[in-house]
Amino acid sequence: GAVVSQHPSWVICKSGTSVKIECRSLDFQATTMFWYRQFPKQSLMLMATSNEGSKATYEQGVEKDKFLINHASLTLSTLTVTSAHPEDSSFYICSARKIYEQYFGPGTRLTVT
Amino acid sequence: AQSVTQPDIHITVSEGASLELRCNYSYGATPYLFWYVQSPGQGLQLLLKYFSGDTLVQGIKGFEAEFKRSQSSFNLRKPSVHWSDAAEYFCAVGLSNTGGFKTIFGAGTRLFVKA
Repeated sequence: GAVVSQHPSWVICKSGTSVKIECRSLDFQATTMFWYRQFPKQSLMLMATSNEGSKATYEQGVEKDKFLINHASLTLSTLTVTSAHPEDSSFYICSARKIYEQYFGPGTRLTVT
Repeated sequence: AQSVTQPDIHITVSEGASLELRCNYSYGATPYLFWYVQSPGQGLQLLLKYFSGDTLVQGIKGFEAEFKRSQSSFNLRKPSVHWSDAAEYFCAVGLSNTGGFKTIFGAGTRLFVKA
């Protein structure tokens, strides 16, 4: 199989603080991981593509200084939301690429108060 | 530009009835095509995929989809819907080029199942 985990599954933080979300491929190595954001009742919006050992590629309109992505190993990518604001509250989903398929994590619900 | 269109925001079907969810894509070449299902508050589960070969593909949970190149479509079907099929369904296109690989998602279709 191909399993992707995310941690935490939900997090509440205060405005102005930073929060880190981890994405791990548990049984395969992924040179490429993706981070998506999903608003209620909407589709997934690709935020960035994370490549192991190199800088992430951000989609147009995504603030790279706000959403820091680090792909330190072939099984781990992290997304850090810096100086979080209530408008950053959302459902964040990661996925890991295996050949031409993507396997998705269960998502992380972020609420900024 | 590449795009994926799911024309139906939501669909309601009776349990036991057949289902078809529509998906059209815009891409210059034959893309990799996927259907995913998402239950509330959950991640995405792959139902089926098309890369090449037989244009009718079978997936999990009794779903199938047919790739029609002439119509740029990849519609999802199920002959008999179960109440547990109620969820959000996303059609997606996998694009691979010199810039790398990415997946583009349609807006999704929410399926409601009535008893």
